[in-house]
Amino acid sequence: KQEVTQIPAALSVPEGENLVLNCSFTDSAIYNLQWFRQDPGKGLTSLLLIQSSQREQTSGRLNASLDKSSGRSTLYIAASQPGDSATYLCACGNTGKLIFGQGTTLQVKP
Amino acid sequence: DVKVTQSSRYLVKRTGEKVFLECVQDMDHENMFWYRQDPGLGLRLIYFSYDVKMKEKGDIPEGYSVSREKKERFSLILESASTNQTSMYLCASSSQDRGNWDEQYFGPGTRLTVT
Repeated sequence: KQEVTQIPAALSVPEGENLVLNCSFTDSAIYNLQWFRQDPGKGLTSLLLIQSSQREQTSGRLNASLDKSSGRSTLYIAASQPGDSATYLCACGNTGKLIFGQGTTLQVKP
Repeated sequence: DVKVTQSSRYLVKRTGEKVFLECVQDMDHENMFWYRQDPGLGLRLIYFSYDVKMKEKGDIPEGYSVSREKKERFSLILESASTNQTSMYLCASSSQDRGNWDEQYFGPGTRLTVT
């Protein structure tokens, strides 16, 4: 059974810092991995989707990588801003279903 | 832009009531999903559907049922609401187009309180 882990559970950084969020998974037989952002009390916003055949995806200040062999993905956020404060979730996809990690709650201090 | 809407942002119901949560998507997606999200437990899949009138159990289907009479609409039904069903409920949809396989788009969520 797939298990997805995100460490740390919470992270606080000063504005402008570059940071990396980690996601690990136990079963490498995934179709893709998706990163989401969730603001308090809100739904999930899709940030990046990496197909199993890809190594990374980029969108603006965000870069996500995928290493299936080691069961790891990272989300890199460049030049962090207070508006980046949110919970970031990764999820592994297989045959249409997603298995989620518990998330990392990020606080970017001005 | 994909849009997934949920009928209510906040809902308060009494124990034993029958509760309907509605989800509508406007992108002609084949797949639709219902999750619940609880502190410390994360998001868990309740039911999903790959086509009209089709449904599959997720990881925690007990106490819930679903209905998909039209492609754009997926309803979650709590037959007899209980206090342990107090939670945030999130609906999602995705396409079966291979190029976008599994990219799920979420609605804003319904925070249900059962008293």
